[in-house]
Amino acid sequence: QKEVEQDPGPLSVPEGAIVSLNCTYSNSAFQYFMWYRQYSRKGPELLMYTYSSGNKEDGRFTAQVDKSSKYISLFIRDSQPSDSATYLCAMNSNSGYALNFGKGTSLLVTP
Amino acid sequence: EAGVAQSPRYKIIEKRQSVAFWCNPISGHATLYWYQQILGQGPKLLIQFQNNGVVDDSQLPKDRFSAERLKGVDSTLKIQPAKLEDSAVYLCASSLDNTEAFFGQGTRLTVV
Repeated sequence: QKEVEQDPGPLSVPEGAIVSLNCTYSNSAFQYFMWYRQYSRKGPELLMYTYSSGNKEDGRFTAQVDKSSKYISLFIRDSQPSDSATYLCAMNSNSGYALNFGKGTSLLVTP
Repeated sequence: EAGVAQSPRYKIIEKRQSVAFWCNPISGHATLYWYQQILGQGPKLLIQFQNNGVVDDSQLPKDRFSAERLKGVDSTLKIQPAKLEDSAVYLCASSLDNTEAFFGQGTRLTVV
């Protein structure tokens, strides 16, 4: 079993929809959780960074961490075609340690 | 603020040839990472530097891969000899305070 599991999709939604992206993990030592967005032929770009459990909101994006269930989510409100990209979850047990990435979920937002 | 710079952007080589990638991190960032991203997969760490010292190279195939970070700034990653399975995007990332990692655009390597 991989440490971080993420459904690769693809996920297709109409413009304006609420998008829910999820990852599960097996290592209970993970404390730092990140979501990256990766456009085609580009490097990953950090979207959200959270520590331990709870919610964090930034504009149209909300990250949730449930450590008891080893489950993290990223919600995108009022999705736009420009949100079409691959979304990677990443996590580690200590800041500065290498990130453990999921496979990424491919999202397509159609006009 | 300039981002992480990587070159070349693309490289095609034959198997058993050698290749080198270059990375210039964000100014002042002490931590530098090299990740390998195979198509359809998330990035996987190859090596992590703190200044010019190696922190983690446990997943670096040391029989063919090598990396160095001279003077704690720029870094090079070398593959010699390359195999078909080395075809991937090689991503360099840097971090100021070991929290947020910022990635470059990557070098796409194709081994034929």
